[in-house]
Amino acid sequence: AQTVTQSQPEMSVQEAETVTLSCTYDTSESDYYLFWYKQPPSRQMILVIRQEAYKQQNATENRFSVNFQKAAKSFSLKISDSQLGDAAMYFCAPLQGGSEKLVFGKGMKLTVNP
Amino acid sequence: GAVVSQHPSRVICKSGTSVKIECRSLDFQATTMFWYRQFPKQSLMLMATSNEGSKATYEQGVEKDKFLINHASLTLSTLTVTSAHPEDSSFYICSARGSPGRGGEVTQYFGPGTRLLVL
Repeated sequence: AQTVTQSQPEMSVQEAETVTLSCTYDTSESDYYLFWYKQPPSRQMILVIRQEAYKQQNATENRFSVNFQKAAKSFSLKISDSQLGDAAMYFCAPLQGGSEKLVFGKGMKLTVNP
Repeated sequence: GAVVSQHPSRVICKSGTSVKIECRSLDFQATTMFWYRQFPKQSLMLMATSNEGSKATYEQGVEKDKFLINHASLTLSTLTVTSAHPEDSSFYICSARGSPGRGGEVTQYFGPGTRLLVL
């Protein structure tokens, strides 16, 4: 079964600073998708960013960008200019190859300090 | 776009009763819907996958007779917790996805979740 590792259970960042969340995964597939979701205290899962493995260019969505290292099976999320509203649990989730299933990491709690 | 709703948001029921949770895709046709369970401070655990018009596929260890899933239309899936017991208390989340395949949609969009408390 595919495994996902988010090695840091918690991180904190000062408002307006930059923070990077790490994620590594295991897959035997060559073509797949990777996602970051955030879950604020409301518990609504919100899509942050998505990366297609066949694309060499790292995905970017406004203040959120990824560093996708396919050979290393690493998919880190960088949040620039952190805002108080970024405080949430962040989940890394590869789309399991050959199926429709997301495989979630254990999550990482991000605190943003004013 | 890609809005998914869930109803109810919170439900309290007595042990032994059944509870139905609805998941709707509001602005797209969901060929596939997923049901997850989340315990406090833990990650999401996939319970089952349902495709419109066919039987749901349950993950290992999930009792299909206890968690009945119906995906009768392209915008609605329901999860019924039958004969609920206190250990079924949890946060249940659904997600929906459009048509799959290259150029198609693979992203799952999540509902806001349902908090179930069984007394």
